[in-house]
Amino acid sequence: QVQLVQSGAEVVKPGASVKVSCKASGYNFNDYYLYWVRQAPGQGLEWMGRITPNSGATNYNDKFQGRVTMTRDTSINTAYMELSRLRSDDTAVYYCAREGMVTLTYWGQGTLVTVSS
Amino acid sequence: DIQMTQSPSLLSASVGDRVTITCRASQVISNSLAWYQQSPGKAPKLLLYAASILESGVPSRFSASGSGTDYSFTISSLQPEDFATYYCQQYYITPWTFGQGTKVEIK
Repeated sequence: QVQLVQSGAEVVKPGASVKVSCKASGYNFNDYYLYWVRQAPGQGLEWMGRITPNSGATNYNDKFQGRVTMTRDTSINTAYMELSRLRSDDTAVYYCAREGMVTLTYWGQGTLVTVSS
Repeated sequence: DIQMTQSPSLLSASVGDRVTITCRASQVISNSLAWYQQSPGKAPKLLLYAASILESGVPSRFSASGSGTDYSFTISSLQPEDFATYYCQQYYITPWTFGQGTKVEIK
């Protein structure tokens, strides 16, 4: 069965960077886009972007352009999302997700990133 | 970006009630519309996609319809496990965008 397992919670200082991992299993990692979505405390869902594991090509939400980098390591079926120049309003749960038929069907458990001095 | 306007933000209902949520897109999205359920502390769960297609394993009390810019989501008979927050999402154009959510609470 498809599983996405994310790295653990992080506490980071303002201005620093954070890198969240998402390990995929149960399917051919190269066959599906991998997406990142975040959710600030008590708020809605925000699409950050996606990566094509096969080629490494990325498509970012303009809101995060210049601060977000999505990468992957196909040898270990793992995708990464790095967000830099963190601010307090970047405090959120960050999810990785994979398409099923057309949209986000399989989700990781989420990674809480807290930005605090 | 396509704006998704979802209403209401809060819906109070009782077990057995029929509830409906609406979602309006800022431009035509050609049925590229999904609905998710999210319980506290959990990842969202896909319920329907392509405006009206039920995801495998999702109970038939959930349904949705719509076209163009206007879409709706219905729970025919609310069950205790349905008290959660629901989101619409367009996947017509990136960046994919979500409605602000509808919290369905116990009346």
